Amino acid sequence: GNSVTQMEGPVTLSEEAFLTINCTYTATGYPSLFWYVQYPGEGLQLLLKATKADDKGSNKGFEATYRKETTSFHLEKGSVQVSDSAVYFCALSDLTGGSYIPTFGRGTSLIVHP
Amino acid sequence: DTGVSQDPRHKITKRGQNVTFRCDPISEHNRLYWYRQTLGQGPEFLTYFQNEAQLEKSRLLSDRFSAERPKGSFSTLEIQRTEQGDSAMYLCASSADRGKSPLHFGNGTRLTVT
Repeated sequence: GNSVTQMEGPVTLSEEAFLTINCTYTATGYPSLFWYVQYPGEGLQLLLKATKADDKGSNKGFEATYRKETTSFHLEKGSVQVSDSAVYFCALSDLTGGSYIPTFGRGTSLIVHP
Repeated sequence: DTGVSQDPRHKITKRGQNVTFRCDPISEHNRLYWYRQTLGQGPEFLTYFQNEAQLEKSRLLSDRFSAERPKGSFSTLEIQRTEQGDSAMYLCASSADRGKSPLHFGNGTRLTVT
């Protein structure tokens, strides 16, 4: 079956530090990969996506590259801000029994201090 | 695009009672998903609709859970004879009917079973 593994949190950083959140996946097919973000008190929202190998998704200074050879989709940001404090979820979407059913990781909490 | 809305935001019920949640997806989205999220975990898939047809259900889903999407618009999730283990955030998401489209989430319904 499909699964997503994320690094455990919380990740605690100072403002302007470099961020990496690791994500690896297992899939039976050729999935699309996503990062979602959940700010305090809000619903999950799409942060970025990549649909094929070597694609780089980017948004709001965040980037992730689809690495098929290592089955990874690590999230990076060069300089984090306090407003980036949130929970980040890695996810994949693949065809399962004729339907696209997204599978999520457990989430990684990011805390950024001023 | 008014987003995905869920009602109620919070529900407190006594063990053994039935509860029903409602989800209104983005109007042009054919796909509708229900997920459950507990503290420190990622969204766990419950069930999936394509228009009014319920195409997938998690094998982990108890028969106390039932979902409907009459006319392919809004959806309801009912839990009968609630148990304390049902306490969680119930998330609804919708997406366009195009390949591996990203999900648009509502803010969820938080259920507490006492």
